[in-house]
Amino acid sequence: NAGVMQNPRHLVRRRGQEARLRCSPMKGHSHVYWYRQLPEEGLKFMVYLQKENIIDESGMPKERFSAEFPKEGPSILRIQQVVRGDSAAYFCASSPASRGDYNEQFFGPGTRLTVL
Amino acid sequence: DAKTTQPNSMESNEEEPVHLPCNHSTISGTDYIHWYRQLPSQGPEYVIHGLTSNVNNRMASLAIAEDRKSSTLILHRATLRDAVVYYCILSGSGGSNYKLTFGKGTLLTVNP
Repeated sequence: NAGVMQNPRHLVRRRGQEARLRCSPMKGHSHVYWYRQLPEEGLKFMVYLQKENIIDESGMPKERFSAEFPKEGPSILRIQQVVRGDSAAYFCASSPASRGDYNEQFFGPGTRLTVL
Repeated sequence: DAKTTQPNSMESNEEEPVHLPCNHSTISGTDYIHWYRQLPSQGPEYVIHGLTSNVNNRMASLAIAEDRKSSTLILHRATLRDAVVYYCILSGSGGSNYKLTFGKGTLLTVNP
């Protein structure tokens, strides 16, 4: 039973390039969450998606960042025109469809983005 | 979001119980208390969660104060693999209990 998969694990981009981070949730999970961990800080919520829908993007920067979770395929976090301040670890988590008022989140290993 | 306060670090001995404290004096009535832990270079791992009553699972126990302003994660017998960072988190209220905000956590050292 594979866990949450993220790729690539490490990504290096130059300023101005685009970064695309992929997340495959656990089998049977239809909810995906993205978090960002800046150096020396804790994880911060970015966005919550269900299949083909963005439920809550209150933690996403207003510009350059976007996320999708298509009907088929992995969830994608896209960062356009990256800047040095985007260097961080980006974690994806998934949970099953709601069974009540609480769902445990299962985290992937993260993608470490370095912007040169 | 309500904040939590944890010690930066704690130390214990192998095979002894560990009590990791967390203060959350501004918790609201609908906030869940979550504990996650994170190994180096990996994503967080769920440990336990609770609302009002004490909780037990195969990994740990969660003791919640009667006024809910503090809680304690209890590891019954510490092992060397438990020497990681532990995060105490309050979820958003009003149905947004998926929104987890991690602080700096407590780094647990386990002496053999």
